[in-house]
Amino acid sequence: QSILTQPPSVSGTPGQRVTISCSGGRSNVGSGTVNWYQQLPGTAPKLLLYSTNQRPSGVPDRFSGSKSGTSASLAISGLQSEDEADYHCAAWDDSLNAYVFGPGTKVTVL
Amino acid sequence: QVHLVESGGGLVKPGGSLRLSCEVSGFIFSDWYMTWIRQTPGKGLEWVSYITSRSEIIYYAESVKGRFTISRDNAKNSLYLQMNSLRAEDTAVYYCARVMGVLDGFDIWGQGTAVTVSS
Repeated sequence: QSILTQPPSVSGTPGQRVTISCSGGRSNVGSGTVNWYQQLPGTAPKLLLYSTNQRPSGVPDRFSGSKSGTSASLAISGLQSEDEADYHCAAWDDSLNAYVFGPGTKVTVL
Repeated sequence: QVHLVESGGGLVKPGGSLRLSCEVSGFIFSDWYMTWIRQTPGKGLEWVSYITSRSEIIYYAESVKGRFTISRDNAKNSLYLQMNSLRAEDTAVYYCARVMGVLDGFDIWGQGTAVTVSS
């Protein structure tokens, strides 16, 4: 049972906007920032967003993040076929002194 | 170019030990915190351990505490994970990664090394 919860899957058509939710608690999402990772099939994860809404160099501005209370969201605007991947949210948990990942959300481009 | 290369994975019997290594290049290793993460087949990511740049602070996931030991050799640009008392549930691909800031995310990942614990 993950401490952070995400929907198992979301789907959309090319060009559409999709969002992925990440729900946690006061000791993790609620008390700090959230990171998002993209994992393409058969590859290592890649940092997609850090500090909740900051994009590392090279990440398209189609990807954006937000947070409200104990929930965070990743939005993908203008969905493209190459966005088909698993997306994991993560945060530091102050109570556990541990970095926790969500279970991941599979994005399918229809 | 920044590279992280893990090695040391393999097949080991329950109760056995393995030592994973992560050799880095392309950045000043001693300036960065580092971490290990694992991923079980078909499942999600699980953070394993974290070490600050001069090994002052170390954290472990509850699932590996007392069995795994993270360490680093800044002179050798290398990160290690000593895994003892291995269990079937430790079977996973193990990744090393560079930590941004204190814990602003893991920005550079290795390709992973597979560990299988089975009799």
